[in-house]
Amino acid sequence: EVQLAQSGAEVRKPGESLKISCKASGYNFTDFWIGWVRQLPGKGLECMGSIYPGDSETRYSPSFQGQVTVSADKSISTAYLQWSSLKASDSAIYYCARHSLAIPQSELDVWGKGTTVTVSS
Amino acid sequence: EIVMTQSPATLSVSPGERATLSCRAGQSVSSNLAWYQQKPGQAPRLLIYGASTRATGIPARFSGSGSGTEFTLTISGLQSEDFAVYYCQQYNNWPVLTFGGGTKVEIK
Repeated sequence: EVQLAQSGAEVRKPGESLKISCKASGYNFTDFWIGWVRQLPGKGLECMGSIYPGDSETRYSPSFQGQVTVSADKSISTAYLQWSSLKASDSAIYYCARHSLAIPQSELDVWGKGTTVTVSS
Repeated sequence: EIVMTQSPATLSVSPGERATLSCRAGQSVSSNLAWYQQKPGQAPRLLIYGASTRATGIPARFSGSGSGTEFTLTISGLQSEDFAVYYCQQYNNWPVLTFGGGTKVEIK
């Protein structure tokens, strides 16, 4: 079964760093793009960026460029989303999701359960 | 960025009735349009891709149509488990993949 297992909820203070993870199983991790999606409290869905684990090519939505870093370690089939300096406005649920094809212009067919990030002083 | 506009924001429907949800793209996205269902406390689930193809395991009461800028998700014979929020998403204009604001389907 294809699955994406995300790391647990995190609580941080403003200015702190954070790295959350998304471990893939049940398929060849290097063959599909992985995307990250943000959901602010009570709000809709926003695509942040995607990575191709095969060669670590990464692309970001302009709104998130420079704000976060997406990475992957293909040796352990895990993708990451990280912040160097969190803000209160980063408090949200973050989902990883697999693009269904080997190209990023494709739907998100498998989703992780989400990681809740709370940033508060 | 392609703006995706969903209507209505909330749809009140009785069980067994049909629900029709609309999604409009600010410019053509061809058929590169997906629909997702999200229930409270859960991750989104893919329902429809390519504007009209049901994802694996999705019941036949869910159907999608449209191309270009106008799309529709129809749920025929609403069941209790279908009350949720539905999002459309275009994946034509990568890397700026955009979602609509969502339509909440609630029990009338």
